[in-house]
Amino acid sequence: AAGVIQSPRHLIKEKRETATLKCYPIPRHDTVYWYQQGPGQDPQFLISFYEKMQSDKGSIPDRFSAQQFSDYHSELNMSSLELGDSALYFCASSSLSRGNTEAFFGQGTRLTVV
Amino acid sequence: GNSVTQMEGPVTLSEEAFLTINCTYTATGYPSLFWYVQYPGEGLQLLLKATKADDKGSNKGFEATYRKETTSFHLEKGSVQVSDSAVYFCALSTLPDYKLSFGAGTTVTVRA
Repeated sequence: AAGVIQSPRHLIKEKRETATLKCYPIPRHDTVYWYQQGPGQDPQFLISFYEKMQSDKGSIPDRFSAQQFSDYHSELNMSSLELGDSALYFCASSSLSRGNTEAFFGQGTRLTVV
Repeated sequence: GNSVTQMEGPVTLSEEAFLTINCTYTATGYPSLFWYVQYPGEGLQLLLKATKADDKGSNKGFEATYRKETTSFHLEKGSVQVSDSAVYFCALSTLPDYKLSFGAGTTVTVRA
């Protein structure tokens, strides 16, 4: 069965650079969530999209932005990277319009800022 | 708001021991409850879930029962294996968009 695909799996950037993380949800899933997991931390909700519209926003820095495209894939854009942005970034998808609240997670993108 | 409190670790057990990880929650509205597992260097995998009071989620020998009266969703396994060594996260989601709120995670190490 198709799963949530995230790319790249690993990314190394320097301070003040920009990074773009991509997420391809499970086909026919209408909702995408982004989470950030720092070392030894629990995942923290960043932002979510439902049917290509932003539905909720969590502790996402102003330096970060995200969108969901017409094909339902989503991108998280991170600018002016800081050392503290080093983390595992997860994308998850679900099918809320079908009443399925279970979120399926991708393998994550490990971002290292040096 | 929503929050999840789970038993702090780390927890170290011998193979075939009984495992319990306590989890309690506060939520606005009626939450769905989940346990996720994260193996070293990997992503989050759903272990089990329960969507209404008194439901019991179960998978791979793990069980958890949704207790509305005590706002709890404790994870149990009767006989752990070395392969169960991982970090376990309790989580909940509610309307309107069912984003997940996670507990701090409990690291479990099972020794042969």
